[in-house]
Amino acid sequence: QIQLVQSGGEVKEPGASVKVSCKVSGYPFTSFGISWVRQAPGRGLEWLGWISPHIGDTKYIEKIQDRLILTTDTSTSTAYMEMTSLTSDDTAVYYCVRDGVLFTATIDTDYWGQGTPVTVSS
Amino acid sequence: SYELTQPPSVSVSPGQTARITCSGDALPDQYVYWYQQKRGQAPVLLISKDTERPSGIPERFSGSTSGTTVTLTISGVRAEDEADYYCRSTDINNNYKVFGGGTRLTVL
Repeated sequence: QIQLVQSGGEVKEPGASVKVSCKVSGYPFTSFGISWVRQAPGRGLEWLGWISPHIGDTKYIEKIQDRLILTTDTSTSTAYMEMTSLTSDDTAVYYCVRDGVLFTATIDTDYWGQGTPVTVSS
Repeated sequence: SYELTQPPSVSVSPGQTARITCSGDALPDQYVYWYQQKRGQAPVLLISKDTERPSGIPERFSGSTSGTTVTLTISGVRAEDEADYYCRSTDINNNYKVFGGGTRLTVL
């Protein structure tokens, strides 16, 4: 059974950093990439970035690429998303999603984590 | 930056056909994926690579493409289909992925 299990909700002050984990099971971790997607309250889905655990390649959306750090730990089959210099605009539910092992790879299906709420408030 | 355009809302009566469009300049060259998201839940992939249905997705969901517009068609709409629908694709230079703004389907 394929599962992506994310870490729990976080509350952070503006200017702080947050690191969300996504532990994978049920498939070879390095055979697929991981995308990160967020959804602010009442808003749509926003794709943030992608990482390939196999080759370490990353892609980010331009507007937050200087604040977003995607990493993986193949020894524990865990992907991490770290976002720095948080503002209230970063308040959202953050999802990890199984994606292609190459950025251009197509997928037949995907799997989503349960989501991690991140609240940025003073 | 590259954008995908969806209508904000679509309304249909039960049993009718709903069509949700997604427009983008790169769509003739990039695949589109369609997602359904019900309130409080993670999105579910309905259509991959423009027209393919993943295992377990009902046949009433289908995808089609024509130039810079792709369409999600829901035939014989049911009350349970009321949800938000998103298209997702990739920019022409394969630098990032992008979601459409989402379409809320209301079943009257």
